[in-house]
Amino acid sequence: GENVEQHPSTLSVQEGDSAVIKCTYSDSASNYFPWYKQELGKRPQLIIDIRSNVGEKKDQRIAVTLNKTAKHFSLHITETQPEDSAVYFCAAGGSNYKLTFGKGTLLTVNP
Amino acid sequence: NAGVTQTPKFQVLKTGQSMTLQCAQDMNHEYMSWYRQDPGMGLRLIHYSVGAGITDQGEVPNGYNVSRSTTEDFPLRLLSAAPSQTSVYFCASSYGTGGTGELFFGEGSRLTVL
Repeated sequence: GENVEQHPSTLSVQEGDSAVIKCTYSDSASNYFPWYKQELGKRPQLIIDIRSNVGEKKDQRIAVTLNKTAKHFSLHITETQPEDSAVYFCAAGGSNYKLTFGKGTLLTVNP
Repeated sequence: NAGVTQTPKFQVLKTGQSMTLQCAQDMNHEYMSWYRQDPGMGLRLIHYSVGAGITDQGEVPNGYNVSRSTTEDFPLRLLSAAPSQTSVYFCASSYGTGGTGELFFGEGSRLTVL
């Protein structure tokens, strides 16, 4: 089955800096790559996703890039703010009805 | 819309007891799933359903049963609880096939097995 590796497991940045989280996947049939944000004690919520026919997608301060050849994708957050502090999960999915998640990255934005 | 509703939010069980976690959604999603979340392990798929009457196993199905008699409901049954099943459980639904669309999560159910 699919295996998703996520790095780093923890990331601490100063407010205003950029943060980058990287994921790799194993199944070349995967074609959907979402990112979820989970605040402490809350449910995961989708923040951005990308499909395999697109190399990059942006939404305000958040961007995701995908390299299908290398089987890796990344989340970029610019101008970080304290409210960006949360656990971020990457995931990979395809036509097999399953979404496989990475183990998560705890992002701390220091004021 | 209430979205995805899970009950109970908290539960303490003794080893060997059985219980059912309830999940309901009002978005008319065909796809529903159960994940467990453990520290440092991410979200792992337990079981999923692509429609009423259809269920299948995920990554960690042992010790759990599911059924899907209606589009709205997808209960998760623990047959004989074990301490290894102490976790936070999330139900999620999707308008897509589950692997290719946004998952909408419930608030989670924190289960402790003593």
